Amino acid sequence: DAKTTQPNSMESNEEEPVHLPCNHSTISGTDYIHWYRQLPSQGPEYVIHGLTSNVNNRMASLAIAEDRKSSTLILHRATLRDAAVYYCILRGGNTDKLIFGTGTRLQVFP
Amino acid sequence: DAMVIQNPRYQVTQFGKPVTLSCSQTLNHNVMYWYQQKSSQAPKLLFHYYDKDFNNEADTPDNFQSRRPNTSFCFLDIRSPGLGDAAMYLCATSRDYSGLQETQYFGPGTRLLVL
Repeated sequence: DAKTTQPNSMESNEEEPVHLPCNHSTISGTDYIHWYRQLPSQGPEYVIHGLTSNVNNRMASLAIAEDRKSSTLILHRATLRDAAVYYCILRGGNTDKLIFGTGTRLQVFP
Repeated sequence: DAMVIQNPRYQVTQFGKPVTLSCSQTLNHNVMYWYQQKSSQAPKLLFHYYDKDFNNEADTPDNFQSRRPNTSFCFLDIRSPGLGDAAMYLCATSRDYSGLQETQYFGPGTRLLVL
């Protein structure tokens, strides 16, 4: 399984943009990049996913490097509710497995 | 609207006493998963059901079993809980198994304490 590398923690102030990086240098051509987040005392929730092109949805944006060896999850205006652990996960092959890495713990300050 | 429901949210059991955790879903999804998440760690897949087909992960201890009597419900049975089994147990669903774009929907989890 292709691996991802994320910083252990990041900090942001409320209403500022947040850029959460993820390195996946061993990504294969058919691997999708998924992001989930886990709020305190809750189960993970889906945030966004992409293959090659940048993606936007109501929660976030996903910027994927041209060589696909890294990606960045962008929260345009962080709120206190965005404080969570963010997981970057590669999905490939014929499996629906989610293999979680250590993730990035995001703290948001008022 | 609740989509993946886990009851109870907290479960206390005694060392060696069998315990069952339950999960139900209103999404009519084909696949149901059980994950174990220990404190400060990432969730780890234990097994999943694709419809009625059970798929165990290679490193899941035999102490953990699962049942899926119908589409909506799935149970996690721990036959003889040890102190090391104290964790959050997460249930998740997805519409299909092999879609690389499939989203998994997680329940809130059941936190198990073993005394």
